[in-house]
Order: sequence, then C-alpha cells, then structure tokens
Amino acid sequence: GESVGLHLPTLSVQEGDNSIINCAYSNSASDYFIWYKQESGKGPQFIIDIRSNMDKRQGQRVTVLLNKTVKHLSLQIAATQPGDSAVYFCAENRDAGGGNKLTFGTGTQLKVEL
Amino acid sequence: DTAVSQTPKYLVTQMGNDKSIKCEQNLGHDTMYWYKQDSKKFLKIMFSYNNKELIINETVPNRFSPKSPDKAHLNLHINSLELGDSAVYFCASSQGFMNTGELFFGEGSRLTVL
Repeated sequence: GESVGLHLPTLSVQEGDNSIINCAYSNSASDYFIWYKQESGKGPQFIIDIRSNMDKRQGQRVTVLLNKTVKHLSLQIAATQPGDSAVYFCAENRDAGGGNKLTFGTGTQLKVEL
Repeated sequence: DTAVSQTPKYLVTQMGNDKSIKCEQNLGHDTMYWYKQDSKKFLKIMFSYNNKELIINETVPNRFSPKSPDKAHLNLHINSLELGDSAVYFCASSQGFMNTGELFFGEGSRLTVL
C-alpha cells in the first residue's frame, strides 16, 4: 500500500553537529513533500517543502533532498541547536479530489545533547 | 496574537458523553482542517473545509460532526465518546485548499475518555 515512513524513530546529536533525518515513501506518483517540526506540547510547524521537479531545496539552516529514484527524502539541519529538539515529520500532499490531504510519516524524535 | 487557537486545551470526560472542541483562525485563510494525533504521534486528517464547505471527510465515524459557521471557525463535536477517541486533536488552516502543504496548526486539544 501507499505509505510515508521514517527510518529512525530517535536521533541523538551533539549541539553544533549536523543532523540528517530520513524519510522513505512508496508511492511513485507522489510529487510534493513537506517537513514539519513538532515541539513538545505544541502543534506541528511547517519547515520546508519540495516538489518533485527539484532534488534539493534550502532554507535557513535546513536543506531538503529528494531522491525520486529510490523514493527517499531527507532533512538536513546544520549546526543543530537545543531548540531543534523536537519530533520531525515528513508528509506527502495528495490532492484528494480537489483538496489538500497531508499524509504524515511516523515521526523522528531529534534529541540535541549539550 | 495566536494564529490558530483551540479550546479547550485539555478535556477529560466519561465514555458516552458528548463534547465539543472549538477552533478559530485569524490568518484570513479559506481552508481549515481537523487532524487526530494518537499516542504514537501518528497524525491523520479527519476533515477539511474550504469557505465553510466540506472538502475532505476521511471516513470518520458519524459520531464526529464538524461545523463551520464561517471561514474563520471550525468546531468539532463528538457524540457518544469512546475510549478510542482519546487523542490530541489539532485544528489547522491554510491559504487555499489545493496544492499547498503549508498548514498552520493550533496547539492541540488533548481529549481523554475514561
């Protein structure tokens, strides 16, 4: 079946190091992906998105890479800070008969060690 | 100013009761959503509305009835609450209902059914 999933449930990194969070998807027709950050006790927050006509997109301290050949995307966080500690979700936007329908992966907990 | 606000933040109730969660957004968005997040952090769409019209109803039991009195409000009423309804419910909004993955989420309403 179609799914969006994450390789690792928990990732621990040292402050100042780079973090890489991975996500795999199974639907070859998927063409739009989004990363969200959810801090404890809060709602998910949009980080960055990428469409299938691109293989890389950069934001402030974040980069998303899309490899359509192996149906994999990743979120790279440069110089990870304590404030980056959160659960990170990849999501796929499926236009379900005329409406946004984000399908979220299972999430990766990022822990930043001081 | 809170962009997407939900009330109540916490709700504890007995099985069989009826309860409502309210949501308001002051972003001027046309589209609003309800998502359910279970104990494993899995996020799943329930409903979306665009300009007070239902766009997505993700095979949610008819005990759940969303109501959108205007495009800035989307409330969720739940009848005959069951143990499995215990979850965090997130309201969200977006500018447009097609082809955008940038949703603005509220802080969630944690529902506990005893």
